[in-house]
Amino acid sequence: DAKTTQPTSMDCAEGRAANLPCNHSTISGNEYVYWYRQIHSQGPQYIIHGLKNNETNEMASLIITEDRKSSTLILPHATLRDTAVYYCIVRSGNAGGTSYGKLTFGQGTILTVHP
Amino acid sequence: DVKVTQSSRYLVKRTGEKVFLECVQDMDHENMFWYRQDPGLGLRLIYFSYDVKMKEKGDIPEGYSVSREKKERFSLILESASTNQTSMYLCASSFLQHNYGYTFGSGTRLTVV
Repeated sequence: DAKTTQPTSMDCAEGRAANLPCNHSTISGNEYVYWYRQIHSQGPQYIIHGLKNNETNEMASLIITEDRKSSTLILPHATLRDTAVYYCIVRSGNAGGTSYGKLTFGQGTILTVHP
Repeated sequence: DVKVTQSSRYLVKRTGEKVFLECVQDMDHENMFWYRQDPGLGLRLIYFSYDVKMKEKGDIPEGYSVSREKKERFSLILESASTNQTSMYLCASSFLQHNYGYTFGSGTRLTVV
């Protein structure tokens, strides 16, 4: 699976949009981009995923560049409860083989939302 | 509310003990996973299973084994606990299809003394 690069930390004011970038320049055609977050002392929580089109759900929006080498997770109106570590993960969509289904987590971005 | 339940939130065991960590999911997921999380090392995959009685090694299987006798339950076994297995253990599950997210449990913080 492709490696991802994220900033170590970011700050955001409450009520403003939080834009979290992720570089995945070695992504291949069948690899999806997933975003998870982990609030202190809890298990990671799935946020959103996409292949090449932009995606939106009740939690966030995912913008993937046309060449798919980078993406941005957008939390449109950040709240204090969005303070967490955010993980960008690239994962193959091919079924079968011992690596299928495996998620590889990097260090993520620590997002701090302040009043 | 669908969920993944881990049997214990905190656990303290002695070196050399056999330790069982249990995970149950109620979503009829095919895949189940065990990760450990350590400061500075992030989440690392220990074992996963894509079907009953099936298991695959992850990145750090040494010192661990797993059991999946029923679809909803995935157990992680430390045959002889050691202090370097002190960690946060996280169970997750998902449907077999790649385009579904994973659901994680709240974690078990294991301390081996």
